[in-house]
Amino acid sequence: DADVTQTPRNRITKTGKRIMLECSQTKGHDRMYWYRQDPGLGLRLIYYSFDVKDINKGEISDGYSVSRQAQAKFSLSLESAIPNQTALYFCATSGGGTYGYTFGSGTRLTVV
Amino acid sequence: GIQVEQSPPDLILQEGANSTLRCNFSDSVNNLQWFHQNPWGQLINLFYIPSGTKQNGRLSATTVATERYSLLYISSSQTTDSGVYFCAVVGAAGNKLTFGGGTRVLVKP
Repeated sequence: DADVTQTPRNRITKTGKRIMLECSQTKGHDRMYWYRQDPGLGLRLIYYSFDVKDINKGEISDGYSVSRQAQAKFSLSLESAIPNQTALYFCATSGGGTYGYTFGSGTRLTVV
Repeated sequence: GIQVEQSPPDLILQEGANSTLRCNFSDSVNNLQWFHQNPWGQLINLFYIPSGTKQNGRLSATTVATERYSLLYISSSQTTDSGVYFCAVVGAAGNKLTFGGGTRVLVKP
């Protein structure tokens, strides 16, 4: 099994719909992250969490919310999806300090 | 926040050629990683290299932390090396991974 699992892998949804992207990890790390990638660009941080009771906004959090249900689970929600949220979404985990980051395979979201 | 710049933005190689990708960063770092994003969008971790030199097959990387840059070397390139290569860092004063803009590599047969 993958260290970081994202579901769904692909999703098409309509404008105004609520959608949740899920992420789970088996690394045992405390830190989890959600990133967004637009075509031709690098990844930008949406939200991050350093433990179950810690949630922090990243650089592009508007229009998104998150929930850290457990150490291993971190979900991202779009309360009312809009077309410019069409992007590739990545979940990641790290052990903090000098540990590297491990990324999931991504969720390709299209809002029509 | 820390700034990460990668060069060149695009690179076209003939199969078998060697190449060097560069990553400059604006501050001291605790973490530096190189990733390869394949045509299907998956991010593959190549190296965790905040300092020093590492090699993995045809790929190697060197980070000179005191001069704030890292280099990724691709030797004897293959078509499967095509994709986008990202450098990402965590600044010494920060706690989040920041990505550069990437280098898009196309290896022609």
